[in-house]
Amino acid sequence: GAVVSQHPSRVICKSGTSVKIECRSLDFQATTMFWYRQFPKQSLMLMATSNEGSKATYEQGVEKDKFLINHASLTLSTLTVTSAHPEDSSFYICSARAVKSVEQYFGPGTRLTVT
Amino acid sequence: AQSVTQLDSHVSVSEGTPVLLRCNYSSSYSPSLFWYVQHPNKGLQLLLKYTSAATLVKGINGFEAEFKKSETSFHLTKPSAHMSDAAEYFCVVSDMNRDDKIIFGKGTRLHILP
Repeated sequence: GAVVSQHPSRVICKSGTSVKIECRSLDFQATTMFWYRQFPKQSLMLMATSNEGSKATYEQGVEKDKFLINHASLTLSTLTVTSAHPEDSSFYICSARAVKSVEQYFGPGTRLTVT
Repeated sequence: AQSVTQLDSHVSVSEGTPVLLRCNYSSSYSPSLFWYVQHPNKGLQLLLKYTSAATLVKGINGFEAEFKKSETSFHLTKPSAHMSDAAEYFCVVSDMNRDDKIIFGKGTRLHILP
């Protein structure tokens, strides 16, 4: 069944640098991908929705110039955290949804630590 | 607008006793409802989903949930808790007819007492 992978699973970077996180749907085509952020002991917060070949739709309060999302193909979306700061440290989770599907399949998450 | 409320942030039960995790939703349309489980430092795993078919939904690991439209509830139950059930559980509502978004509840931490 539908598998979504994320890479890397963990990343540590220095403040001011940029980090790219990849989200791939391994055995299905995902017309829509979602990026979430999860703070410790809290629920998931939707950051943005991306449809293949078009610009991402960001949720209120999410800086689109800081969190760059690219969904260039039906199996790959990337989230780039630009000029990372310690407050960007978090658990980032992507999900993917196939055509005409109500269900989202979640990736295993990426733990980002900014020092 | 859609919303989902998980009524308990923490639930503790003894091993072998029933589990009840409560979830109420609000949706203007016919919603799809899901329960996900998240073990410590792990991703999300789908337990079960309701998408307008049978109101009693059976999921993995012995969990089930019943969609009650009159009560706008989708509570998660299990007859007998196991130590491995200790995790965070999220109730999720989605309305595919209206927009793409899914809304997460704040989560319920399930503790299993030996």
